[in-house]
Amino acid sequence: EAGVTQFPSHSVIEKGQTVTLRCDPISGHDNLYWYRRVMGKEIKFLLHFVKESKQDESGMPNNRFLAERTGGTYSTLKVQPAELEDSGVYFCASSQHLGQGRTGELFFGEGSRLTVL
Amino acid sequence: DQQVKQNSPSLSVQEGRISILNCDYTNSMFDYFLWYKKYPAEGPTFLISISSIKDKNEDGRFTVFLNKSAKHLSLHIVPSQPGDSAVYFCAASKISTDSWGKLQFGAGTQVVVTP
Repeated sequence: EAGVTQFPSHSVIEKGQTVTLRCDPISGHDNLYWYRRVMGKEIKFLLHFVKESKQDESGMPNNRFLAERTGGTYSTLKVQPAELEDSGVYFCASSQHLGQGRTGELFFGEGSRLTVL
Repeated sequence: DQQVKQNSPSLSVQEGRISILNCDYTNSMFDYFLWYKKYPAEGPTFLISISSIKDKNEDGRFTVFLNKSAKHLSLHIVPSQPGDSAVYFCAASKISTDSWGKLQFGAGTQVVVTP
């Protein structure tokens, strides 16, 4: 079974440009999360999809970030325009939807490293 | 405001000895705690978890201890092996919501196991 896959693995862009990161979750996983790790610090939550709906986007830094999950399958995270402080590793994770009060396992992708020059 | 803290950025331990990683949290609403392991250029992988109704959970060489009154948890690895060399992240969440996967992570502890 394929794990969570992310593309690209590394992107180098100039300040002001646009970048789109893609995440393909494990098949059948309704929950999809985006996280970011900046400068070797803690991994921070960005947002959570349940199928195609945004359940929680409280971690999105600002309106330069746009996440979509059309059809409830893969997800994209667009940064437009990119700023220097957006550099970091963007992780996607997915899990089965088990309902309130029940936990499962969160599977992470290898991450997309973004470098903004 | 960082709600989960790992105050030791690195830990060096000899093969065969015990590794003890510590984690503190500030939010008393957290009721589910996890440890993740991360190798370079890979995503974090789940290691072990504990809910707030327990104070200890064991899985093979890995044991997690939770002290709710102190808002402190620790991960013990016994015996440590060279393959355990990785960054270990402590994370916390709330089972009571539908977003248990919304994890608050610490900054990580780099463990190096030496021969």
